[in-house]
Parts: sequence; C-alpha cells; structure tokens
Amino acid sequence: DSGVTQTPKHLITATGQRVTLRCSPRSGDLSVYWYQQSLDQGLQFLIQYYNGEERAKGNILERFSAQQFPDLHSELNLSSLELGDSALYFCASSQWDSGTEAFFGQGTRLTVV
Amino acid sequence: AQSVTQLGSHVSVSEGALVLLRCNYSSSVPPYLFWYVQYPNQGLQLLLKYTTGATLVKGINGFEAEFKKSETSFHLTKPSAHMSDAAEYFCAVSDRGSARQLTFGSGTQLTVLP
Repeated sequence: DSGVTQTPKHLITATGQRVTLRCSPRSGDLSVYWYQQSLDQGLQFLIQYYNGEERAKGNILERFSAQQFPDLHSELNLSSLELGDSALYFCASSQWDSGTEAFFGQGTRLTVV
Repeated sequence: AQSVTQLGSHVSVSEGALVLLRCNYSSSVPPYLFWYVQYPNQGLQLLLKYTTGATLVKGINGFEAEFKKSETSFHLTKPSAHMSDAAEYFCAVSDRGSARQLTFGSGTQLTVLP
C-alpha cells in the first residue's frame, strides 16, 4: 500500500459527460501529480500541484482541469468526455516538489461508452 | 525535451535466468532515473532510483540498475528470475529542476517461463 488513495476505482460514463476523480496523497506529501495511462499513448504526465498551486503542466487537454485543496487532496475534472479519454488515471504524491520519488495510487479506470 | 527508450516491449526469460531490461534516455543534462514495476490491475511501485552518487543502484526484490552516463543508459538487471517477477516494467526520468514530473518509457512486459 503506497498510502495514496484514489476514488473511484472504476468509472463508466457516456460520451459528453463530466466526471471527477479524487486523490488523497500520502500523509505529509505536498506534491500531487496526475498521469494518464492508455494503450496508444502510454503513461503521460498531465499536471502537478504543489501545496495548492499549479506547478507544471504536461499533455493535459483543455477539457481537463485539476485543483488541489487546502487539505492537500486533489481532484481531476474531465469534461465533454470522448471515447478516446478511456484510460487509467493515476495520481502520485511526493514530499516536496523536488528530490524525492513519487508514490502512486492504484488508479481510476475510466471507461467512456 | 527528455525522452526514454525501452528496447523490447516484451521480454521472456526462464525461471532462474538473468533478467535484463534496457533503458536509454535522451537529455542534455543527466536526469534522475527510476524503474517502476506495474502488476496487473495495480499502480506503479518504485523498484529503484538513481539521483547522485554510486552509479550501481540496488532496489527491491533483488533488482539493480547501473547508470552509465557515456551510454545514456540505465539498464535493469536481476541475476535470477522468479515467477513473481512477471509484470510490466517502466523506466522513467525526471529533470533536476523544481518540477519533478516523470517522463516514462513505453514499458517492457516481462514473462517468466517455468
């Protein structure tokens, strides 16, 4: 158990809908990262938050957004969903914004039908 | 921009044989280097990492990796494969700046044959 909790584990939704994925980092970790894992794109970095502020952005679509709350949990919002958004979404956390490894949650498997 | 190349999307070894999974990176400055393992329906677990210091790094489950700057490589090895090593392995890099997001290779699926 990495200590990173993601909910829900599985999500099935229709095209055009909006979903929210939740991540609780390990106790004491200030950085949260979101990654997308799909068969065609592999593992891709989406976005990073550090202590409530956006720190880095990767290949995140404009239809996707994220935030980190004062209690340090994070949410990834995916809207106007398309079939191609079906993927495994991982959250990872680390203690600082530099110098330490990231610990990954079990992921949320999103299926868009 | 950084990139990671893992040679061989599928590797099969016999139980007890040497495991060698290859990883090469492309970066103007040597990055931090990581190997993660993913078992079916699970998240990624860190096997080992190189940040600085000794270039031969030992990790969990008997794995080790050697950072070779001249070859821009960070290959993962294990002297004797076990059935429980069957999983997907990802090499990843992050830069040494303030943002430590990971850039992953495409992964290598390791099969261990009895």
